[in-house]
This record gives sequence, C-alpha cells and structure tokens, in this order.
Amino acid sequence: SQQGEEDPQALSIQEGENATMNCSYKTSINNLQWYRQNSGRGLVHLILIRSNEREKHSGRLRVTLDTSKKSSSLLITASRAADTASYFCATDASEGAQKLVFGQGTRLTINP
Amino acid sequence: ETGVTQSPTHLIKTRGQQVTLRCSSQSGHNTVSWYQQALGQGPQFIFQYYREEENGRGNFPPRFSGLQFPNYSSELNVNALELDDSALYLCASSSRQSYGETQYFGPGTRLLVL
Repeated sequence: SQQGEEDPQALSIQEGENATMNCSYKTSINNLQWYRQNSGRGLVHLILIRSNEREKHSGRLRVTLDTSKKSSSLLITASRAADTASYFCATDASEGAQKLVFGQGTRLTINP
Repeated sequence: ETGVTQSPTHLIKTRGQQVTLRCSSQSGHNTVSWYQQALGQGPQFIFQYYREEENGRGNFPPRFSGLQFPNYSSELNVNALELDDSALYLCASSSRQSYGETQYFGPGTRLLVL
C-alpha cells in the first residue's frame, strides 16, 4: 500500500521558476526521504529529514516536515531543464527493517 | 553513481518461467532491500536482507524469494512468472547501524513477462 501521496501528480514550469511538491503520509515516521528518478531509471537520493527536524537545505533544495500535519514539501529553486524528472517522497516508519514506503510521485517538467 | 550495481539491465521472460536478478551493494553496506516499481507507480518494498537473513517482507507472495551472500551482494528470485510481474526491479543498499539510514539505489532491472 502507498503511504505517501504526492501533490501535484504532474507539474510543468518555466526554467528559472521555483517548483514545489508536497507529500502527505498517514502514520508516525522515523524519517522522510525525497528521491528523483529520470525516465524510469534508478532512484537518486536527494535529502533525508528526520522526524525531529523541521527544515533542511541542500543546494537548491529545501525540504520541510510538519509531523503534526503528516506532510512534507520539496522546493526546488531556480529550476533547470536537468531537473525534469519524477520526484518521490518515501517514509520510513519501521522498527527493524528499513522499509521505505513510496508515494506515486510528482512528474516535473521544466520548459526551456 | 551510488556504487550499487544490478544485472541484467533488461530481461524478457515468458509466463511460468523463473528469473534471478542480481545486486551488488555499495562498499561498506551490509543491508540490501528489493523494490518492485510498476509503470507509473512508486516503488513497493519486496523484502530486505541483513547479514544474510531476511529482515522484513512486504506484501509479496512466497514465489518472490531472495538470498544475501557473505559479501553482502544479493539475488532476487521470482518463480512462476506472471504478466503482472513486469516491472522495474530496484535494489538498494544501506548500512544498518541505526534507524533511518539513507538507502542508495541501483539502476534497476527492467523485466518484461510475455
């Protein structure tokens, strides 16, 4: 079953604009991770935010986590054509096995 | 590049056949997880191996099985293939020293069942 739900399912913006993707989940978590996937290839890890953190930055990426609302957002600033990809949030709520539960992803298209 | 490799990259099988997919984990990682990603969907957890033992399983039937070797590489075996098994199979390695470690994914094996 899918725990995370990304919103929107698809997003198309102009190069240079900011892109915001949201993720909601259902249960308490240890951490939440964001991944990028280009054209059905392997997943690239972007950022991990732990349940006791509220915000993290990595380059042009900013992730927020609101555990009271069970939601997270990924902001990509100053978007580039190379950012075109699918973005997934994945939650880790497990005790023992590190089982990631993924949403269905947001398909981001950056138009030149 | 994550250092996680998978083979083969693509595979075509017919219904009822068996398939073995392979994964080499990143150096220093002792845990391998397998995921199935159907077209247009997010990955779904199949199972995880830690120190050669299955350490958690998702909602997949017993015909999905695996192995982890002393060098921490891993195999995913699927028996009696069904059409719905067509998907991208991803393995991910991590270092299970504490909760919440990042999983690093390989490029995947795309399986087509005819």
